[in-house]
Amino acid sequence: NAGVTQTPKFQVLKTGQSMTLQCAQDMNHEYMSWYRQDPGMGLRLIHYSVGAGITDQGEVPNGYNVSRSTTEDFPLRLLSAAPSQTSVYFCASSYGRGGSYEQYFGPGTRLTVT
Amino acid sequence: GDSVTQMEGPVTLSEEAFLTINCTYTATGYPSLFWYVQYPGEGLQLLLKATKADDKGSNKGFEATYRKETTSFHLEKGSVQVSDSAVYFCALSVNRDDKIIFGKGTRLHILP
Repeated sequence: NAGVTQTPKFQVLKTGQSMTLQCAQDMNHEYMSWYRQDPGMGLRLIHYSVGAGITDQGEVPNGYNVSRSTTEDFPLRLLSAAPSQTSVYFCASSYGRGGSYEQYFGPGTRLTVT
Repeated sequence: GDSVTQMEGPVTLSEEAFLTINCTYTATGYPSLFWYVQYPGEGLQLLLKATKADDKGSNKGFEATYRKETTSFHLEKGSVQVSDSAVYFCALSVNRDDKIIFGKGTRLHILP
């Protein structure tokens, strides 16, 4: 199993550009989520999905879109990049949303917006 | 609302020292509690968990006991190694359908 994979590992964007961060998992997990990690802020939930075709907003959804057309893939789209979106982005998956389920994290994408 | 508070870092220790990283929580129900670890340049990975009061989670020499009376889940290790240098996150989740809530993380540096 590859687990949770993310691409790209690093990305530099100019303000106003758009891009898609890719996330895939091969564990047949129902639940997938996107977090951003900023210094002193810990992890903040952007969007999540409880299954194919179902997505919902997390704590900081503005400026981001998601879709879940398959169980395996959960891309995150930045519509018009802003310097405030400079961060490290992590995708995670699990069998369930909460409870005692373990979250499996990808290696992260480090995004810089200039 | 539900929340997790953990001690601020960075924490710097010498190799073989005793480690404690404090974590307290606020939850409306009966949460499951977790410690995740993030090694440099990597994503988070589960270190240990406990799902009910008085449970002790353990892994790789680390331990944490679910203390309902003090709403705490402190992480301990008797003798740390340089390879334990990482960021440690305390987290909770109350119900199956609830999101997991992370603390802000504690950076640990172990000096040889």
